[in-house]
Amino acid sequence: EVQVVESGGVLVQPGGSLRLSCAPSGFTVSDNYMTWVRQAPGKGLEWVSDIYSGGSAYYADSVKGRFTISRDNSKNTVYLQMSSLRAEDTAVYYCARGPTPPRPIVVYWGQGTLVTVST
Amino acid sequence: AIQLTQSPSSLSASVGDRVTITCRASQGISTTLAWYQQKPGKTPKLLICDASSLESGVPSRFSGSGSGTDFTLTISSLQPEDFATYYCQQFNSYPLTFGGGTKVE
Repeated sequence: EVQVVESGGVLVQPGGSLRLSCAPSGFTVSDNYMTWVRQAPGKGLEWVSDIYSGGSAYYADSVKGRFTISRDNSKNTVYLQMSSLRAEDTAVYYCARGPTPPRPIVVYWGQGTLVTVST
Repeated sequence: AIQLTQSPSSLSASVGDRVTITCRASQGISTTLAWYQQKPGKTPKLLICDASSLESGVPSRFSGSGSGTDFTLTISSLQPEDFATYYCQQFNSYPLTFGGGTKVE
């Protein structure tokens, strides 16, 4: 069974850094399209970043230069390194997987991890 | 970035109603559009891909149409479990973008 599990969300001060982890089961991250989508409280969905099986990665303009997506194949884990965090980065962050063959849409969603950026 | 404008932002409907939600792209995206359903407190669910291709297991009362800049999601006969927020997403080019959502209540 395909499952996606995120972790790492906490309360962090503005300007701080944080790393989110996504450790799925039932599939190999290096073979799949993986993405992070966030949702601010009471707001809509916002695509953040994604990474393809070949290693190509893309970012939303709002996080470019501050966030980095990466993958550790030995741990079957995807990461989202976030730095220079701002209040507007406060959101539930979902790790998600695309279909097979890989396409930039989401089929499997994690339950999300809450990141709160506040003093 | 390609902007997706959904309308209406919310609508009130009753069980059995036919519901239509529109999604307009700021530039042509062919049929590279997906629709998701999100219920309160739940993660989104992919309903339709490629503008009109129904995902496996999605009831046939859901349908999608359109190409270029104008797209629609139609629920032919609204069921109690369909009250939710619906989002469109374009995957024609980066950055990927979602519409603002339509709440069906």
